[in-house]
Amino acid sequence: SQTIHQWPATLVQPVGSPLSLECTVEGTSNPNLYWYRQAAGRGLQLLFYSVGIGQISSEVPQNLSASRPQDRQFILSSKKLLLSDSGFYLCAWSRTGINYGYTFGSGTRLTVV
Amino acid sequence: AQSVAQPEDQVNVAEGNPLTVKCTYSVSGNPYLFWYVQYPNRGLQFLLKYITGDNLVKGSYGFEAEFNKSQTSFHLKKPSALVSDSALYFCAVVASSSNTGKLIFGQGTTLQVKP
Repeated sequence: SQTIHQWPATLVQPVGSPLSLECTVEGTSNPNLYWYRQAAGRGLQLLFYSVGIGQISSEVPQNLSASRPQDRQFILSSKKLLLSDSGFYLCAWSRTGINYGYTFGSGTRLTVV
Repeated sequence: AQSVAQPEDQVNVAEGNPLTVKCTYSVSGNPYLFWYVQYPNRGLQFLLKYITGDNLVKGSYGFEAEFNKSQTSFHLKKPSALVSDSALYFCAVVASSSNTGKLIFGQGTTLQVKP
């Protein structure tokens, strides 16, 4: 069966520090991968998605970047965090082809102080 | 452009009463529709989906949803609410013809079930 792992669960970082959040998927190949941010327990904002290794699409201009160095690994990064980067970050995957929907990771609560 | 509307920020029901969480959508062509539930500080969990076939879809935890093409709606329902159903619910849509598979999510509806 397929599983998605996202870590860390919580993170407190000072303003100006770098960020690296990692997401990995097991049990499938060539998944579509997504990074979302959720502010204040409400709506989801799609940040990045990837349909293959090295293929990253950015949905909104921001202080963050994403990379996909391996088929089932998706990394969210920042060189210098801002206070506004605080939020709940969710990784998700879906199959290519017929859309069976997303499977989400457990999320990372990032607090920038 | 694709869009999803969840017109209620919050729905309050008493335990044991039926519940409905509303969702309407706009998409070119045939839609694939989904409901997810999120508990505090957790990821979203899949509840149910409509791809094709029977308009009434049954999902996890006793939830069901009805696809209504003429009203472009996909309301989530449960005959008898439980306090443990209290959570944030998201409706999502993607066009069946989409080549990216990106889901469009509504803003979410908080369901509060009171004992």
